[in-house]
Amino acid sequence: EVQLVESGGALIKAGGSLRLSCAGTGFTFENAWMSWVRQAPGKGLEWVGRIKSKLDGGTIDYAPPVKGRFTISRDDSRNMVHLQMNSLKTGDSAMYYCTIDQYYYGSGDHYWPEHWGQGTLVTVSS
Amino acid sequence: DIQMTQSPSSLSASVGDRVTITCRASQITDSYLNWYQQKVGKAPKLLIHSASNVQSGTPSRFSGSGSGTDFMLTISNLQPEDFATYYCQQSYTTVLTFGGGTKVEIK
Repeated sequence: EVQLVESGGALIKAGGSLRLSCAGTGFTFENAWMSWVRQAPGKGLEWVGRIKSKLDGGTIDYAPPVKGRFTISRDDSRNMVHLQMNSLKTGDSAMYYCTIDQYYYGSGDHYWPEHWGQGTLVTVSS
Repeated sequence: DIQMTQSPSSLSASVGDRVTITCRASQITDSYLNWYQQKVGKAPKLLIHSASNVQSGTPSRFSGSGSGTDFMLTISNLQPEDFATYYCQQSYTTVLTFGGGTKVEIK
């Protein structure tokens, strides 16, 4: 059974840093493309970023609001993906979900979140 | 970034009803459009990918259609477990974007 378990969420002050982790089991982790998606309380879903498998180049892409502040990395030896969040703002407060992405090579790469973890809550206070 | 607009933002329906949710993209997305269901306090669940491909495990009463910029999610014979919020999401571009959601409530 595919399982994703996020950890690391906390209450933190604006300007601070936090590192989220996601542990995956039940699938071949090194082949997986992984994303982070967040959801502010009572709001909709917002994609944060994605890391491809090393086999597919390990490319990392970010949403504009977090580019330059957040960093995604992966440790295939431990079946984990991380989200390092720096210079946190109150607007970054959200539930953060880790996902395994389906992907398709058409005219360019296309991918979408398939499996989701249960999320970890980040609250940034002023 | 491609903007995704869902309508309505909420609706009330009864068990057994046929429900349609629409999603419009600000630019063409071919058929790279996906639908998710989210229940309160839970993670989203992928229902349909690539506009009309039903994800394994999704009940057959869920269907998707459309291409280009206009898409629909249809739930035929609405069941009690279908009351939830539904999101569309485009995967045409590297930066994924979601619609604002449609909350389906019990009438």
